[in-house]
Amino acid sequence: SQELEQSPQSLIVQEGKNLTINCTSSKTLYGLYWYKQKYGEGLIFLMMLQKGGEEKSHEKITAKLDEKKQQSSLHITASQPSHAGIYLCGADIVNNAGNMLTFGGGTRLMVKP
Amino acid sequence: DAGITQSPRHKVTETGTPVTLRCHQTENHRYMYWYRQDPGHGLRLIHYSYGVKDTDKGEVSDGYSVSRSKTEDFLLTLESATSSQTSVYFCAIRERRYNEQFFGPGTRLTVL
Repeated sequence: SQELEQSPQSLIVQEGKNLTINCTSSKTLYGLYWYKQKYGEGLIFLMMLQKGGEEKSHEKITAKLDEKKQQSSLHITASQPSHAGIYLCGADIVNNAGNMLTFGGGTRLMVKP
Repeated sequence: DAGITQSPRHKVTETGTPVTLRCHQTENHRYMYWYRQDPGHGLRLIHYSYGVKDTDKGEVSDGYSVSRSKTEDFLLTLESATSSQTSVYFCAIRERRYNEQFFGPGTRLTVL
């Protein structure tokens, strides 16, 4: 979706390196969701952020929602081959009802052993 | 996995035939969603439901209808399938307490 831009579109990193994926909106993000998708499979929920400045972590993955609630970043520390896949951000940019989610185009991550 | 199943998981059909996809959940969630995922377009919302017999349109609802006669099942129907409806279809539920959305495993539909 052009309303929700992810960058970079693809990323190749060496195992052990850190990386950051960004999700930027021209509208206020009422709720921001991060998912991981393995090629040809379903979406795995990673985390959800709602409050400006909020930060959540799960294992080696940290996501933040900036104060103005128009950008989120996903940071992976010490990447592993198991982190490879497509990372998708989804956001409620219509209202705060949580029903009309818009998704970014995804970031393809490859981790070289 | 939030107790979501989709059936069938794969289907090949011909243009003009009706197709129904089923989403089943076991945890009594009120909100359910149907998305399609296509290269170059990403994930787009087709329809959603906020209760039994309560549904609303999403971004790409043309050519699709839905029904929800009981809490656990949300059906997506293509009345007359077209090749442009070849896609991967995902069902999702919204967990009420934290507003988190969880997705089903997907159905790959090919319309020849």
